[in-house]
Amino acid sequence: AQSVAQPEDQVNVAEGNPLTVKCTYSVSGNPYLFWYVQYPNRGLQFLLKYITGDNLVKGSYGFEAEFNKSQTSFHLKKPSALVSDSALYFCADYYGQNFVFGPGTRLSVLP
Amino acid sequence: NAGVTQTPKFQVLKTGQSMTLQCAQDMNHEYMSWYRQDPGMGLRLIHYSVGAGITDQGEVPNGYNVSRSTTEDFPLRLLSAAPSQTSVYFCASSSPMIAGGRTDTQYFGPGTRLTVL
Repeated sequence: AQSVAQPEDQVNVAEGNPLTVKCTYSVSGNPYLFWYVQYPNRGLQFLLKYITGDNLVKGSYGFEAEFNKSQTSFHLKKPSALVSDSALYFCADYYGQNFVFGPGTRLSVLP
Repeated sequence: NAGVTQTPKFQVLKTGQSMTLQCAQDMNHEYMSWYRQDPGMGLRLIHYSVGAGITDQGEVPNGYNVSRSTTEDFPLRLLSAAPSQTSVYFCASSSPMIAGGRTDTQYFGPGTRLTVL
């Protein structure tokens, strides 16, 4: 079965430092990968997606993600973290007719 | 556009009661789905629909029913609530991609927080 892993439950980073939130996917055809963000008591919001083409995908709020086929990874990155980036981040893969979500990574940006 | 709306925002039920969680979208999306979110488990798919009149089961369908009589609405029914159904429920919708047969970005509602006592 298709699966998405987010190996870190929690990521802490100081404001102004670069951040990385990790995601790996299981191999099945061509992946179709997404990142979503969830702020407290809100629904998920789309950040970016990878379909084909450039391995570096740019998205909302200054986030970007790097697709690495050999490592089956799709890590989310931002060059300079903001306190307001603190939230729960989900990686997802589209498989069959549905999306498979990772368990989520809580990002805390410390002032 | 209101996007994806869900009602109610909060609900408390007693074990054995039934209820319907409402979901509506005004984006003319064909694909709609229901997820439940539990701590440490991410989002798990309950049921989904690829168009009016078509529904199918997801990863955790037991105890839930759905129907899709219109493009806009996709209600989720709890038949006999159990404490294990205490969760936050999200509805989402998306449109098909032009090529490749896949659906595009999902848009999520604000969620319904359900507690079953």
